[in-house]
Amino acid sequence: NAGVMQNPRHLVRRRGQEARLRCSPMKGHSHVYWYRQLPEEGLKFMVYLQKENIIDESGMPKERFSAEFPKEGPSILRIQQVVRGDSAAYFCASSPPTNEKLFFGSGTQLSVL
Amino acid sequence: GESVGLHLPTLSVQEGDNSIINCAYSNSASDYFIWYKQESGKGPQFIIDIRSNMDKRQGQRVTVLLNKTVKHLSLQIAATQPGDSAVYFCAENNSGYSTLTFGKGTMLLVSP
Repeated sequence: NAGVMQNPRHLVRRRGQEARLRCSPMKGHSHVYWYRQLPEEGLKFMVYLQKENIIDESGMPKERFSAEFPKEGPSILRIQQVVRGDSAAYFCASSPPTNEKLFFGSGTQLSVL
Repeated sequence: GESVGLHLPTLSVQEGDNSIINCAYSNSASDYFIWYKQESGKGPQFIIDIRSNMDKRQGQRVTVLLNKTVKHLSLQIAATQPGDSAVYFCAENNSGYSTLTFGKGTMLLVSP
C-alpha cells in the first residue's frame, strides 16, 4: 500500500521560471493538503483540496501560487515566476474523509537560483 | 494570532533514558492533537494522537499527555534509542476547522 507520493524529490529553478510540484495521495484518500517548510521551522499550511474543489486556501500567497486536485491524476502545486524566497521544502499530505490524521509524503525540495 | 509552540528547541539525552518533549498551545478550541517525528530529509511521520476528551494515551514506547487546564501537551519516549533522533512536532486541530497547525519543533539528539 503505497504512501503519499511526491515528485520531483528535488527541483531547481531559476528566478522567473515556473515550478510544478506533484502529489498523489494514499489510496482511498480524497483530501490533499500542501504545507511549506523553511529550514529549522515548522510546517506552514498552504492549501486544502478535495477532488476538483479548493476547500481552504487561506495559507496560500495571493499571487503566483495555485493548486489543483483534478478528478483524475495527482494534485499539482504550481508556482509561477519563482523568486529566491520560494526556496523551501513543500510537503503534501492526504487523509481519508473522516479522519483528521494526515499522512505526509517525502516532500519536494525547491531551490531557486 | 493563536499558535502552537514548543518550550525546548533541542533536547539531548543518553540512549536508554526517558525523553520528554513539551508543547504549549494557545487555541482553547483545539480538540485534537498529534505528534509527528521528522527525520532529516523526510516528511513528518505520525507518532501518536489524542483527543481533548482524554488526558493520556499510550503507544509503543510513547505516551502523550494532555493538560487542557494549562494548554500543555507532552510526548514521553521511554528507553530512548539513537533511532529516535529527529525533530518532533506537535500539531493541533479544531474539529470545526479542517487543517492542522504545527509548532516549530524540538530536535531530539540521542547519544549512544
